[in-house]
Amino acid sequence: DGGITQSPKYLFRKEGQNVTLSCEQNLNHDAMYWYRQDPGQGLRLIYYSQIVNDFQKGDIAEGYSVSREKKESFPLTVTSAQKNPTAFYLCASSTDTSDTQYFGPGTRLTVL
Amino acid sequence: GNSVTQMEGPVTLSEEAFLTINCTYTATGYPSLFWYVQYPGEGLQLLLKATKADDKGSNKGFEATYRKETTSFHLEKGSVQVSDSAVYFCARANQAGTALIFGKGTTLSVSS
Repeated sequence: DGGITQSPKYLFRKEGQNVTLSCEQNLNHDAMYWYRQDPGQGLRLIYYSQIVNDFQKGDIAEGYSVSREKKESFPLTVTSAQKNPTAFYLCASSTDTSDTQYFGPGTRLTVL
Repeated sequence: GNSVTQMEGPVTLSEEAFLTINCTYTATGYPSLFWYVQYPGEGLQLLLKATKADDKGSNKGFEATYRKETTSFHLEKGSVQVSDSAVYFCARANQAGTALIFGKGTTLSVSS
């Protein structure tokens, strides 16, 4: 089955620790995205990548980092510099950046 | 500011009632427009889209028409079901065509 997978579904970390969220797609999509969702604020773009080995900051990139070494994978690291990391994180992909985005099931990160 | 504005929720309806969720946008030109739906604890699913003015997107009984005169893309359904209870997001492509800009979401609750 083609799709986007995110793991884990729930993640707990202590304050001050870096944590990496996984996102994998087997849709052969070039573009991939990371969003953060907070109650009442909709989705906000963290980073996006139009092609392998390239990525761009979104609206709220501070405290986050990404890599795009393979077409299928776009991991997001939430660093200790992110002041309020507890949120629901959504990964998406599309054939190109102007097309429909398809979303993974999300990872809920809680920092204790 | 956010260039996609949705009516605030929650919207509470009885089964078989008519649904309208308003969405307006600001943009230069005519970007593609989208409605996504998010069921509890899940990622977003594309519900429908329209890529040019006067297009009508439709899916699962939902419809939305791209109105350039009023810069609107209101979501409608003639008869809602309990299973339609979810959060609905309106979105448009950004000007560079590199990502989507989302509204804040509208929660729909349908009771039997």
